[in-house]
Amino acid sequence: AQKITQTQPGMFVQEKEAVTLDCTYDTSDPSYGLFWYKQPSSGEMIFLIYQGSYDQQNATEGRYSLNFQKARKSANLVISASQLGDSAMYFCAMREGRRTSYDKVIFGPGTSLSVIP
Amino acid sequence: DAGVIQSPRHEVTEMGQEVTLRCKPISGHDYLFWYRQTMMRGLELLIYFNNNVPIDDSGMPEDRFSAKMPNASFSTLKIQPSEPRDSAVYFCASSPGTSGRINIQYFGAGTRLSVL
Repeated sequence: AQKITQTQPGMFVQEKEAVTLDCTYDTSDPSYGLFWYKQPSSGEMIFLIYQGSYDQQNATEGRYSLNFQKARKSANLVISASQLGDSAMYFCAMREGRRTSYDKVIFGPGTSLSVIP
Repeated sequence: DAGVIQSPRHEVTEMGQEVTLRCKPISGHDYLFWYRQTMMRGLELLIYFNNNVPIDDSGMPEDRFSAKMPNASFSTLKIQPSEPRDSAVYFCASSPGTSGRINIQYFGAGTRLSVL
């Protein structure tokens, strides 16, 4: 069963506008973590932001924020004031707190974001 | 600080040849992960190590794949013999561990493998 769903294979946004990338997840574990990574065309995977399941506030890192809706099991990434350099693939990922697979992180299929000048 | 270092960045080889991918994790990180990325299957975890010990290799596709971590600063992923379907980008990542329940994995730049 798919644990991480990213329903938007491709997105376009105008430069300087905000954009939301969707991510829904499936877990029965009360303890988990959610991550977003960026993969530009050069290929490297860059960590952006983290949200723990028990965190009371939504995570923010500069222009990135995570809209965490626990009851809906969604962890959408919001990028404010898009820049041309934001054009990349974005991956949502989850780490479940089960003892037997304590440190495994599962990645979603990704969303391709293109920022238009 | 140096990040995760992978070599080579690109590898082109012929079917049947042995391929060795190398990774140097971030100093002090206890966990090391090998991933494979393809268009069809996305990012797949192949194997991961904790303190140089393989913990979970259930993602290793076949016996042709093997991984070692002889010390805390070096790991290899070997494919022998290689096949065209092994063509992919292979990533190594390392993590400082689970302190505070955060397990941020830091990735290397990847090795793009092409098997002809």
